[in-house]
Amino acid sequence: AQSVAQPEDQVNVAEGNPLTVKCTYSVSGNPYLFWYVQYPNRGLQFLLKYITGDNLVKGSYGFEAEFNKSQTSFHLKKPSALVSDSALYFCAVRDGGYSTLTFGKGTMLLVSP
Amino acid sequence: NAGVTQTPKFQVLKTGQSMTLQCAQDMNHEYMSWYRQDPGMGLRLIHYSVGAGITDQGEVPNGYNVSRSTTEDFPLRLLSAAPSQTSVYFCASSSKPGQGAGGANVLTFGAGSRLTVL
Repeated sequence: AQSVAQPEDQVNVAEGNPLTVKCTYSVSGNPYLFWYVQYPNRGLQFLLKYITGDNLVKGSYGFEAEFNKSQTSFHLKKPSALVSDSALYFCAVRDGGYSTLTFGKGTMLLVSP
Repeated sequence: NAGVTQTPKFQVLKTGQSMTLQCAQDMNHEYMSWYRQDPGMGLRLIHYSVGAGITDQGEVPNGYNVSRSTTEDFPLRLLSAAPSQTSVYFCASSSKPGQGAGGANVLTFGAGSRLTVL
């Protein structure tokens, strides 16, 4: 079985400050990990993925994520938040032996001016 | 490229009515799936398909049917709508897991269909 946990329902950060959105996962095989973002009344958009290789993955809009195998985590980060980053963020995992993606419950990121 | 197209965007049904949510993709993706999004629940997989003629159940399949007669289309049928099926539904597609982009099936999502069952 595969599962994802996003422990924070909401993250608040001031514009210009660094942000972190947390994600932990559970798989039996090798994980494929993803972050997606959802703006109001829109579908989900892909941000970045980890398949193998470097533990620090860079994605769209200045976001990056750090894969930590020992802590089974894949936290999303950005050095300097923008008000326009305010959205709902989803972490997702696929166990290498499965064909489906399992999503976390989502974390609302609110960036204040 | 249109990507993934879902229709209708909004629908109101009465309990017991049936309807079909349409999903079409023009990217020649083999993998297609339906999710529902509910507050505090994230996205939950309803049904998925790894190719024409092949479908399988996800996490919450009860009350829904799917079929995949072509690569492009993956309709979701509500057989007898219930208030518990009030939700936002998303269709998503990708290349087949294990192919392309290092084996990562990056999903492309439709814009969603908001369904209310009274």
